[in-house]
Amino acid sequence: DAGITQSPRHKVTETGTPVTLRCHQTENHRYMYWYRQDPGHGLRLIHYSYGVKDTDKGEVSDGYSVSRSKTEDFLLTLESATSSQTSVYFCAITATSGASYNEQFFGPGTRLTVL
Amino acid sequence: KQEVTQIPAALSVPEGENLVLNCSFTDSAIYNLQWFRQDPGKGLTSLLLIQSSQREQTSGRLNASLDKSSGRSTLYIAASQPGDSATYLCAANSGGSNYKLTFGKGTLLTVNP
Repeated sequence: DAGITQSPRHKVTETGTPVTLRCHQTENHRYMYWYRQDPGHGLRLIHYSYGVKDTDKGEVSDGYSVSRSKTEDFLLTLESATSSQTSVYFCAITATSGASYNEQFFGPGTRLTVL
Repeated sequence: KQEVTQIPAALSVPEGENLVLNCSFTDSAIYNLQWFRQDPGKGLTSLLLIQSSQREQTSGRLNASLDKSSGRSTLYIAASQPGDSATYLCAANSGGSNYKLTFGKGTLLTVNP
């Protein structure tokens, strides 16, 4: 599982509240990603990071921000949650060395419900 | 913009059957292609990664092929088992050094005992 954990695993919040999701990895991977998965849309990239303090937008970045102050943690923030952000959020890393070179691995996901 | 399509969206087969899942992509300039499995309510499990220079990769009963010129990849599952029931996703990496993936919407496979 490449040592990826996500917290919280489930969250219910109300419209307009800020929400932060955390992705933690233990293997010092440089590349980290946040995706959302929705029925009918599949997995879509929100933001990604290619190093500490180095981040960039993905396909569906509006309404989301990210931060990476340490190699092991990648935070996804919804500044003011909306019902359209109800989804399952996955964090991922890409291995850039070893037998799994170029392979992407995923965390267990966070199910977010915005009421 | 890369687009990835998986057909069919759902497939039901009897146990023991050999089967092929299809994945097509619009931009043949891919860096690699990865196949995943997802069980209900779970995360994605990587099955096979094919680099752009490779034609196929094998792991146990799974064999994935890649034909860049036609924009297609297939995942062959031999002697299917009920435990193979899951959603299978393919993803193309056209992003070069940042390894960004574009996903298909998946094929839901059901293997009936």
